[in-house]
Amino acid sequence: GAGVSQSPSNKVTEKGKDVELRCDPISGHTALYWYRQSLGQGLEFLIYFQGNSAPDKSGLPSDRFSAERTGGSVSTLTIQRTQQEDSAVYLCASSLLVGGKEQYFGPGTRLTVT
Amino acid sequence: GESVGLHLPTLSVQEGDNSIINCAYSNSASDYFIWYKQESGKGPQFIIDIRSNMDKRQGQRVTVLLNKTVKHLSLQIAATQPGDSAVYFCAERGAGGSYIPTFGRGTSLIVHP
Repeated sequence: GAGVSQSPSNKVTEKGKDVELRCDPISGHTALYWYRQSLGQGLEFLIYFQGNSAPDKSGLPSDRFSAERTGGSVSTLTIQRTQQEDSAVYLCASSLLVGGKEQYFGPGTRLTVT
Repeated sequence: GESVGLHLPTLSVQEGDNSIINCAYSNSASDYFIWYKQESGKGPQFIIDIRSNMDKRQGQRVTVLLNKTVKHLSLQIAATQPGDSAVYFCAERGAGGSYIPTFGRGTSLIVHP
């Protein structure tokens, strides 16, 4: 299928290490979102790429978090110097239009920081 | 700050019953309200949305009701099936160009056969 894919599906890392999480959105989708979901919690917005405009980074919890989207397609979320509180499922979603109400989510990457 | 929350964290029903999942919101400026379903180990899946100028919208076996007076949103699932077991999230999309949805904590729906 041509849904949103994310890799890796699971990542275990040691505290202090850097990690990179990848998202492949649905082809042609203009908007791409990153969220974080902790156990039993809702989705916490991290960053939003909106077409060719500057990304909305207002949800990034600290300067250890960054993301980029190359060529309007693939996106990478990078967490530097990981901390235990970074452990969560990181979800990526895309929508056809900027501001699209219907977002298509990937399966997520489960990050565990030991 | 603005928030979206749910009244019940867990709802257990028998197969065939109707289910009602409730959600309270506080941002009266939101232009869309959206329901997502998240099955275990998967990302959320869009179910249905409703625009803020509507009171009711129906889909396949689902109905969303919006009561702007009390800032309340509900998702009704008719003839609930075991495959409906999942966590359901409500979300609101801010108006005025803020396209970032705010998600509630979620309600776990458990359907007993």
